[in-house]
Amino acid sequence: QVQLQESGPGLVKPSQTLSLTCTVSGGSITSGDYYWSWIRQLPGKGLEWIGYISYSGKTYYNPSLKSRVTISIDTSNNQFSLKLSSMTAADTAVYYCARATRLGQLALGYWGQGTQVTVSS
Amino acid sequence: DAQMTQSPSTLSASVGDRVTFTCRASQGINNWLAWYQQKPGKAPKLLIYKVSSLENGVPSRFSGSGSGTEFTLTISSLQPDDFATYYCQEYNNYSGTFGQGTKVEIK
Repeated sequence: QVQLQESGPGLVKPSQTLSLTCTVSGGSITSGDYYWSWIRQLPGKGLEWIGYISYSGKTYYNPSLKSRVTISIDTSNNQFSLKLSSMTAADTAVYYCARATRLGQLALGYWGQGTQVTVSS
Repeated sequence: DAQMTQSPSTLSASVGDRVTFTCRASQGINNWLAWYQQKPGKAPKLLIYKVSSLENGVPSRFSGSGSGTEFTLTISSLQPDDFATYYCQEYNNYSGTFGQGTKVEIK
């Protein structure tokens, strides 16, 4: 059973770049051309999709965040990562990593527990 | 990318009720639509993908339908564990826009 775990700083200063890592266990990140994703949830709000990456490195980003987002994959460590630059208080959120439920789908069937990121000086 | 609008925002219902809520897309999404359930403090859980395909392990009281730009999630007999917030998500053309959610509350 695939499991995902987010890690990274809980507190980021304004204007800094957020770096989060999602570690995958229970299966190889290269076992099939699945899509891996980052999603966030602002306080008391709904879900916002950030982007996808395939194991081969193809990326797709939310147009509203595209200028600030980089998602990358590290197959040797079974991880994928999110970088979000120029952080502001509006980026304070719970950040989730997730994987598509099956090949040929982008619906997200496997999720990490989420990690709280607060932007504050 | 399509904009996704869910209605209602909040729904009050009782155990045993049949409940239906709607998700409308601003443009066609080729039936690339999923439904998730989220409880407070927890990650979302996938219920339905490709409009009507039930995810493994999800009870059969959940069903999805629709086409074009209008989609519905139905719970045939609401159970105590079903009080949660439900989100639709479109994933056409490698996008991933979520609706704003429908919260199901105890009546």
